[in-house]
Amino acid sequence: NAGVTQTPKFQVLKTGQSMTLQCAQDMNHEYMSWYRQDPGMGLRLIHYSVGAGITDQGEVPNGYNVSRSTTEDFPLRLLSAAPSQTSVYFCASSYKAPTPSRGRAYEQYFGPGTRLTVT
Amino acid sequence: RKEVEQDPGPFNVPEGATVAFNCTYSNSASQSFFWYRQDCRKEPKLLMSVYSSGNEDGRFTAQLNRASQYISLLIRDSKLSDSATYLCVVPSGTYKYIFGTGTRLKVLA
Repeated sequence: NAGVTQTPKFQVLKTGQSMTLQCAQDMNHEYMSWYRQDPGMGLRLIHYSVGAGITDQGEVPNGYNVSRSTTEDFPLRLLSAAPSQTSVYFCASSYKAPTPSRGRAYEQYFGPGTRLTVT
Repeated sequence: RKEVEQDPGPFNVPEGATVAFNCTYSNSASQSFFWYRQDCRKEPKLLMSVYSSGNEDGRFTAQLNRASQYISLLIRDSKLSDSATYLCVVPSGTYKYIFGTGTRLKVLA
């Protein structure tokens, strides 16, 4: 049971290049999400998915695309890298999506992160 | 008002001290709350969940005050290994978790 895996661990891109950050989980979790973490900003939600075929935007979605063709995989695509996208990216998964009105939320499991630098 | 707010610290405390952090949240509908620990340059890991008034696990106690909309984390008998950033997480709206910016703790020998 590998949990949540992310590749690559480190990446340097030039402005305008595109790339895909990979994320996979083997826990059969319905909910997956991508965050970026910048100094002093905490983790900010980029995109999330409540199940295969269903994705939606988070707090900072501009410049990123996602898809969820299988339960296991949730790749994040940078369309045209910009220096403002230099950050640490974390993928996370949880059993189900949080539903505050029903009084239940679930622990998120995080991948080890990808450190991205855009020059 | 931010959805989740934490004092960024740092809190510098001697070994053996008791330290407490607070986290305020704005969504009164939230029912579940989480404290995560994050070590430098590592991924966050769950420390405690809070579903009712509170939770205790060894030296760690989390308490919930719904009336004032805050949760607290109390660490007793601090160890050097407790040095980390502690993140407060609140489900907010639909299908989203909102993270506080974290509170840095440094336990001094």
